[in-house]
Amino acid sequence: EPEVTQTPSHQVTQMGQEVILRCVPISNHLYFYWYRQILGQKVEFLVSFYNNEISEKSEIFDDQFSVERPDGSNFTLKIRSTKLEDSAMYFCASSLGGQGNTGELFFGEGSRLTVL
Amino acid sequence: AQSVTQLGSHVSVSEGALVLLRCNYSSSVPPYLFWYVQYPNQGLQLLLKYTTGATLVKGINGFEAEFKKSETSFHLTKPSAHMSDAAEYFCAVSEGSNDYKLSFGAGTTVTVRA
Repeated sequence: EPEVTQTPSHQVTQMGQEVILRCVPISNHLYFYWYRQILGQKVEFLVSFYNNEISEKSEIFDDQFSVERPDGSNFTLKIRSTKLEDSAMYFCASSLGGQGNTGELFFGEGSRLTVL
Repeated sequence: AQSVTQLGSHVSVSEGALVLLRCNYSSSVPPYLFWYVQYPNQGLQLLLKYTTGATLVKGINGFEAEFKKSETSFHLTKPSAHMSDAAEYFCAVSEGSNDYKLSFGAGTTVTVRA
């Protein structure tokens, strides 16, 4: 069964360092998302991406964050200069989208980011 | 704008007992509603979803949920809890636009007592 894959599963970084989290969405999906979950808190929407551009972003997704689809398969989240409060589990998701779609998002297993 | 409220951050049930997790939503348009489950150190797995049609939906692992528009609710139930049901459960709403962005509730942690 097709699945969303994320790498790395866990990354530890120093405050101020750049981090890139990678995702391979399901191949025929058109909409891509990043969510994050700070330990013990709810899953929060960061950004959605369609047709090679951001379609919506939350207030969390400030100038320190960026997303990119550098080739036909990968979807990346970059944090330019990490802060302690960026420590969280980051989930990538994808959706088929389009008219008549039931709106299900398929999630990856997550990338745990620890900022020291 | 859409939002989700899950009543009760933690539910403890005995094995074999009814599991009831409450979810209320707000949405400016007819919503798409979802329940996801997260087992320890794992990602989010879809349990069930409501988009249109029958308001009682059945999902995996014996779970079901009923969409009640008049109560803006989408409560999740399972008649008989199993030890393997111990997990965190998230209710989520989408306004079904092409963006399909999900808004999640705060989650309910279920523990099952032997």
